[in-house]
Amino acid sequence: AQSVTQLGSHVSVSEGALVLLRCNYSSSVPPYLFWYVQYPNQGLQLLLKYTTGATLVKGINGFEAEFKKSETSFHLTKPSAHMSDAAEYFCAVTLVGDQFYFGTGTSLTVIP
Amino acid sequence: DTGVSQDPRHKITKRGQNVTFRCDPISEHNRLYWYRQTLGQGPEFLTYFQNEAQLEKSRLLSDRFSAERPKGSFSTLEIQRTEQGDSAMYLCASSPRTVKETTEAFFGQGTRLTVV
Repeated sequence: AQSVTQLGSHVSVSEGALVLLRCNYSSSVPPYLFWYVQYPNQGLQLLLKYTTGATLVKGINGFEAEFKKSETSFHLTKPSAHMSDAAEYFCAVTLVGDQFYFGTGTSLTVIP
Repeated sequence: DTGVSQDPRHKITKRGQNVTFRCDPISEHNRLYWYRQTLGQGPEFLTYFQNEAQLEKSRLLSDRFSAERPKGSFSTLEIQRTEQGDSAMYLCASSPRTVKETTEAFFGQGTRLTVV
């Protein structure tokens, strides 16, 4: 079975600082990995995805993530936080798209 | 393409009543998913369809819950005899199934259910 663990339910950063949101996955075979963002009372919007190929993937709004098989990690980063980045972030995993398994989420606060 | 559409956006119902939610996926997406999300949690899988066939159901989907996708287009999720514990955001998503790769799920705005 697949699963993801997001370390840190709440992360606070200063505006302009590095954003690092952690995600570790568990899967018996190479998975497909995703990061989604959710704003209050909204659905989930895809930030980026890893399917095959390059392990460093770039997404929208300046976010990127690196798939590290040896560490079973897929951490999300952004060099410089913006106030508009404040939201809930979810890491998700699937093998063949039958189910997407989500982490419990990380709430990002950006301090001006 | 207008994306995944869910209706209603908000629903307040009395305990014991039945409610039905509708989801219109992105056209030509053959996979459709229902998730439930409670406050402070990630989305939890409920069920998914490939075309009109319901291929998998979570143990979270008690016998009070039923989902349909007639003709492989829109889907409905019905909850009978609602309980306060059913209060949550119900999310619908769709995805195109391809031979080459697995793609992401595209989510709707959700239906927030409050059972009073």
